[in-house]
Amino acid sequence: DAKTTQPTSMDCAEGRAANLPCNHSTISGNEYVYWYRQIHSQGPQYIIHGLKNNETNEMASLIITEDRKSSTLILPHATLRDTAVYYCIVRVLGNTGKLIFGQGTTLQVKP
Amino acid sequence: DAGVIQSPRHEVTEMGQEVTLRCKPISGHDYLFWYRQTMMRGLELLIYFNNNVPIDDSGMPEDRFSAKMPNASFSTLKIQPSEPRDSAVYFCASSLRASGRYEQYFGPGTRLTVT
Repeated sequence: DAKTTQPTSMDCAEGRAANLPCNHSTISGNEYVYWYRQIHSQGPQYIIHGLKNNETNEMASLIITEDRKSSTLILPHATLRDTAVYYCIVRVLGNTGKLIFGQGTTLQVKP
Repeated sequence: DAGVIQSPRHEVTEMGQEVTLRCKPISGHDYLFWYRQTMMRGLELLIYFNNNVPIDDSGMPEDRFSAKMPNASFSTLKIQPSEPRDSAVYFCASSLRASGRYEQYFGPGTRLTVT
Protein backbone atom coordinates (compact mmCIF):
# COMPACT_ATOMS: atom_id res chain seq x y z
CA ASP A 1 0.00 0.00 0.00
CA ALA A 2 1.19 3.54 -0.83
CA LYS A 3 2.68 5.67 1.91
CA THR A 4 0.94 8.85 3.06
CA THR A 5 2.25 12.09 4.50
CA GLN A 6 0.17 14.27 6.83
CA PRO A 7 0.96 17.31 8.97
CA THR A 8 1.54 16.38 12.58
CA SER A 9 -0.99 18.83 13.99
CA MET A 10 -3.50 21.49 13.04
CA ASP A 11 -5.80 23.92 14.81
CA CYS A 12 -9.25 24.99 13.74
CA ALA A 13 -11.75 27.44 15.20
CA GLU A 14 -15.08 26.00 16.25
CA GLY A 15 -17.71 26.50 13.56
CA ARG A 16 -15.17 26.93 10.80
CA ALA A 17 -14.24 24.39 8.16
CA ALA A 18 -11.34 22.11 8.96
CA ASN A 19 -9.26 21.14 5.92
CA LEU A 20 -6.90 18.24 6.54
CA PRO A 21 -4.38 17.53 3.76
CA CYS A 22 -2.78 14.25 2.83
CA ASN A 23 -0.07 13.52 0.29
CA HIS A 24 0.06 10.11 -1.39
CA SER A 25 2.27 10.73 -4.39
CA THR A 26 3.00 7.02 -5.00
CA ILE A 27 -0.62 5.95 -5.08
CA SER A 28 -1.50 3.28 -7.62
CA GLY A 29 -4.49 3.25 -9.91
CA ASN A 30 -6.35 0.64 -7.88
CA GLU A 31 -5.71 2.19 -4.48
CA TYR A 32 -8.38 4.01 -2.55
CA VAL A 33 -7.97 6.84 -0.07
CA TYR A 34 -9.53 6.17 3.35
CA TRP A 35 -9.92 8.50 6.29
CA TYR A 36 -10.37 7.43 9.89
CA ARG A 37 -10.28 9.40 13.08
CA GLN A 38 -9.56 8.49 16.67
CA ILE A 39 -11.05 10.50 19.45
CA HIS A 40 -9.11 10.29 22.69
CA SER A 41 -9.46 6.93 24.47
CA GLN A 42 -11.72 5.49 21.77
CA GLY A 43 -11.19 3.12 18.88
CA PRO A 44 -10.68 4.57 15.40
CA GLN A 45 -13.80 5.50 13.46
CA TYR A 46 -14.30 5.30 9.71
CA ILE A 47 -15.09 8.65 8.09
CA ILE A 48 -15.05 8.36 4.32
CA HIS A 49 -13.20 6.88 1.37
CA GLY A 50 -12.83 7.49 -2.36
CA LEU A 51 -11.01 6.47 -5.52
CA LYS A 52 -10.86 9.52 -7.76
CA ASN A 53 -14.15 11.36 -7.53
CA ASN A 54 -14.96 13.72 -4.72
CA GLU A 55 -17.10 12.14 -2.04
CA THR A 56 -19.42 13.52 0.61
CA ASN A 57 -21.31 11.95 3.45
CA GLU A 58 -22.91 13.13 6.66
CA MET A 59 -19.57 13.47 8.39
CA ALA A 60 -17.24 15.01 5.85
CA SER A 61 -16.19 15.64 2.27
CA LEU A 62 -13.19 14.15 0.51
CA ILE A 63 -11.52 16.04 -2.29
CA ILE A 64 -9.01 14.09 -4.38
CA THR A 65 -6.80 15.92 -6.86
CA GLU A 66 -7.04 14.98 -10.51
CA ASP A 67 -3.62 13.29 -10.47
CA ARG A 68 -4.66 11.53 -7.24
CA LYS A 69 -1.39 12.39 -5.56
CA SER A 70 -3.05 14.28 -2.73
CA SER A 71 -6.39 14.67 -1.03
CA THR A 72 -8.13 16.86 1.50
CA LEU A 73 -10.63 15.87 4.15
CA ILE A 74 -13.07 18.67 4.90
CA LEU A 75 -15.13 18.93 8.06
CA PRO A 76 -17.50 21.74 7.04
CA HIS A 77 -18.39 23.07 10.49
CA ALA A 78 -15.94 21.78 13.06
CA THR A 79 -17.12 21.30 16.63
CA LEU A 80 -15.18 20.62 19.80
CA ARG A 81 -16.16 16.96 19.45
CA ASP A 82 -14.18 16.78 16.21
CA THR A 83 -10.94 17.13 18.16
CA ALA A 84 -9.14 13.88 17.30
CA VAL A 85 -6.28 12.27 15.42
CA TYR A 86 -7.15 11.94 11.74
CA TYR A 87 -5.56 9.17 9.70
CA CYS A 88 -5.25 9.15 5.92
CA ILE A 89 -4.73 5.61 4.60
CA VAL A 90 -4.21 4.40 1.07
CA ARG A 91 -5.05 0.82 0.31
CA VAL A 92 -6.15 -1.55 -2.40
CA LEU A 93 -9.82 -2.43 -2.23
CA GLY A 94 -9.71 -6.13 -2.68
CA ASN A 95 -9.24 -9.38 -0.88
CA THR A 96 -7.04 -7.97 1.80
CA GLY A 97 -8.61 -6.08 4.64
CA LYS A 98 -5.42 -4.58 5.98
CA LEU A 99 -5.25 -1.00 7.18
CA ILE A 100 -1.83 0.47 7.88
CA PHE A 101 -2.06 3.48 10.13
CA GLY A 102 0.55 6.23 10.05
CA GLN A 103 0.98 8.91 12.69
CA GLY A 104 -1.98 10.96 11.50
CA THR A 105 -2.85 14.62 12.09
CA THR A 106 -3.92 15.78 15.51
CA LEU A 107 -6.73 18.27 14.95
CA GLN A 108 -7.47 20.60 17.83
CA VAL A 109 -10.76 22.45 17.51
CA LYS A 110 -10.72 25.57 19.66
CA PRO A 111 -13.68 27.58 20.97
CA ASP B 1 -26.45 -3.06 16.92
CA ALA B 2 -24.10 -3.26 19.91
CA GLY B 3 -20.98 -2.76 17.83
CA VAL B 4 -17.73 -4.60 18.45
CA ILE B 5 -17.51 -5.76 22.04
CA GLN B 6 -14.22 -6.25 23.84
CA SER B 7 -13.49 -7.57 27.29
CA PRO B 8 -12.08 -6.81 29.68
CA ARG B 9 -11.83 -3.04 29.22
CA HIS B 10 -8.89 -2.85 31.58
CA GLU B 11 -6.45 -5.54 32.61
CA VAL B 12 -3.61 -5.27 35.07
CA THR B 13 -1.36 -8.28 35.47
CA GLU B 14 2.07 -9.21 36.66
CA MET B 15 4.91 -10.13 34.39
CA GLY B 16 4.86 -13.82 33.51
CA GLN B 17 1.13 -14.24 33.79
CA GLU B 18 -1.13 -15.34 30.95
CA VAL B 19 -3.47 -12.71 29.56
CA THR B 20 -6.51 -13.38 27.39
CA LEU B 21 -8.31 -10.61 25.56
CA ARG B 22 -11.71 -11.24 24.06
CA CYS B 23 -13.63 -9.83 21.13
CA LYS B 24 -17.12 -10.23 19.75
CA PRO B 25 -17.39 -8.78 16.22
CA ILE B 26 -20.48 -7.23 14.71
CA SER B 27 -22.89 -9.97 13.71
CA GLY B 28 -22.52 -10.96 10.07
CA HIS B 29 -19.09 -9.43 9.58
CA ASP B 30 -16.59 -11.73 7.89
CA TYR B 31 -13.31 -9.98 8.75
CA LEU B 32 -11.83 -9.59 12.20
CA PHE B 33 -8.69 -7.65 13.07
CA TRP B 34 -6.51 -7.28 16.15
CA TYR B 35 -4.49 -4.09 16.60
CA ARG B 36 -2.15 -2.82 19.27
CA GLN B 37 -1.56 0.85 20.06
CA THR B 38 1.34 2.34 21.97
CA MET B 39 2.74 5.84 22.15
CA MET B 40 6.02 4.71 20.62
CA ARG B 41 4.73 2.59 17.74
CA GLY B 42 1.25 3.96 17.11
CA LEU B 43 -1.50 1.68 15.86
CA GLU B 44 -0.20 -1.65 14.55
CA LEU B 45 -2.07 -4.51 12.92
CA LEU B 46 -1.25 -7.78 14.67
CA ILE B 47 -3.37 -10.33 12.84
CA TYR B 48 -6.56 -10.61 10.87
CA PHE B 49 -9.06 -13.32 10.05
CA ASN B 50 -11.41 -13.86 7.15
CA ASN B 51 -14.31 -16.24 7.77
CA ASN B 52 -12.59 -17.41 10.98
CA VAL B 53 -9.36 -18.31 9.16
CA PRO B 54 -6.16 -16.40 9.99
CA ILE B 55 -5.00 -14.63 6.84
CA ASP B 56 -2.01 -12.58 7.93
CA ASP B 57 -0.25 -12.86 11.28
CA SER B 58 2.93 -11.11 10.23
CA GLY B 59 2.30 -8.37 12.78
CA MET B 60 2.29 -10.71 15.76
CA PRO B 61 5.40 -9.66 17.67
CA GLU B 62 6.58 -13.07 18.82
CA ASP B 63 5.53 -16.55 19.80
CA ARG B 64 4.21 -15.35 23.12
CA PHE B 65 1.25 -13.96 21.20
CA SER B 66 -1.47 -16.16 19.75
CA ALA B 67 -4.92 -15.48 18.38
CA LYS B 68 -7.86 -17.73 17.67
CA MET B 69 -11.28 -17.40 16.15
CA PRO B 70 -13.23 -20.56 16.96
CA ASN B 71 -16.43 -19.22 15.44
CA ALA B 72 -17.81 -16.18 13.66
CA SER B 73 -18.84 -14.44 16.86
CA PHE B 74 -15.78 -14.78 19.06
CA SER B 75 -12.04 -14.27 18.98
CA THR B 76 -9.27 -14.27 21.57
CA LEU B 77 -5.80 -12.78 21.71
CA LYS B 78 -3.58 -14.50 24.24
CA ILE B 79 -0.22 -13.44 25.62
CA GLN B 80 1.75 -16.05 27.49
CA PRO B 81 3.92 -15.16 29.32
CA SER B 82 3.21 -11.43 29.47
CA GLU B 83 5.98 -8.84 29.74
CA PRO B 84 5.93 -5.15 30.71
CA ARG B 85 6.60 -4.15 27.07
CA ASP B 86 3.25 -5.71 26.14
CA SER B 87 1.51 -2.86 27.96
CA ALA B 88 -0.69 -1.18 25.36
CA VAL B 89 -4.26 -0.69 24.23
CA TYR B 90 -5.47 -3.62 22.16
CA PHE B 91 -8.25 -3.00 19.67
CA CYS B 92 -10.43 -5.47 17.87
CA ALA B 93 -12.19 -4.47 14.66
CA SER B 94 -14.54 -6.14 12.21
CA SER B 95 -15.70 -5.47 8.68
CA LEU B 96 -18.00 -6.83 6.02
CA ARG B 97 -16.60 -7.44 2.57
CA ALA B 98 -20.03 -7.48 0.96
CA SER B 99 -20.58 -3.85 1.95
CA GLY B 100 -18.14 -2.94 -0.81
CA ARG B 101 -16.57 -0.31 1.37
CA TYR B 102 -14.40 -2.47 3.62
CA GLU B 103 -14.69 0.03 6.43
CA GLN B 104 -13.59 -1.37 9.77
CA TYR B 105 -15.58 -0.94 12.95
CA PHE B 106 -13.45 -0.78 16.06
CA GLY B 107 -14.23 -1.82 19.57
CA PRO B 108 -13.49 0.34 22.61
CA GLY B 109 -10.20 -1.42 23.26
CA THR B 110 -8.62 -3.24 26.17
CA ARG B 111 -6.01 -1.32 28.13
CA LEU B 112 -3.40 -3.83 29.27
CA THR B 113 -0.87 -2.99 31.96
CA VAL B 114 1.83 -5.53 32.76
CA THR B 115 3.81 -4.76 35.91
